[in-house]
Amino acid sequence: GAGVSQSPRYKVTKRGQDVALRCDPISGHVSLYWYRQALGQGPEFLTYFNYEAQQDKSGLPNDRFSAERPEGSISTLTIQRTEQRDSAMYRCASSLRTSEMLETQYFGPGTRLLVL
Amino acid sequence: AQTVTQSQPEMSVQEAETVTLSCTYDTSENNYYLFWYKQPPSRQMILVIRQEAYKQQNATENRFSVNFQKAAKSFSLKISDSQLGDTAMYFCAFMKHSGTYKYIFGTGTRLKVLA
Repeated sequence: GAGVSQSPRYKVTKRGQDVALRCDPISGHVSLYWYRQALGQGPEFLTYFNYEAQQDKSGLPNDRFSAERPEGSISTLTIQRTEQRDSAMYRCASSLRTSEMLETQYFGPGTRLLVL
Repeated sequence: AQTVTQSQPEMSVQEAETVTLSCTYDTSENNYYLFWYKQPPSRQMILVIRQEAYKQQNATENRFSVNFQKAAKSFSLKISDSQLGDTAMYFCAFMKHSGTYKYIFGTGTRLKVLA
């Protein structure tokens, strides 16, 4: 596609529910990153993949958060048993080559999650 | 650990004038990249300019240029001939050349261009 796409764009859920956020990177991009952005703040790193391999998940806040990219393309960030503090904009980014090449990351429009 | 500081939460500039946004960072790394991203009201993140730390020459992209002072760990963005479409949140970001190639973002500067 022309750019990184994310779905849904907006998600409202009740506390305790699980949510799955989807990221579709730019076609051919091998690295994929997840960030979380609180209102008025810069994005904060969560995790990233080279192809299907998760390279670093040190930014995931706790074990309720997980991510996968089984075929090296689309990725899903899952939050189990959501809490109100999980409310934020979740952004995905992709880069053409592996992260070690220090490629520029291109961001998607984000999914705004609101946990009631 | 690396940190990025943007000390100007908000700025404004008259259309066609020049404005400079400041960014400082702290790192013990010698090789790294620095970026400026723009986030307009649409909330998209758009790359404005990037600078490789090993390059002494300041990066330029049309009306956008940086003043990279490696010793001072400073990376300011200059926007010349400001346009109304430049109104946005601007984030400075750092990426080191080893380990996890993730961005460390500053807290942003909200820029408003006035007609």
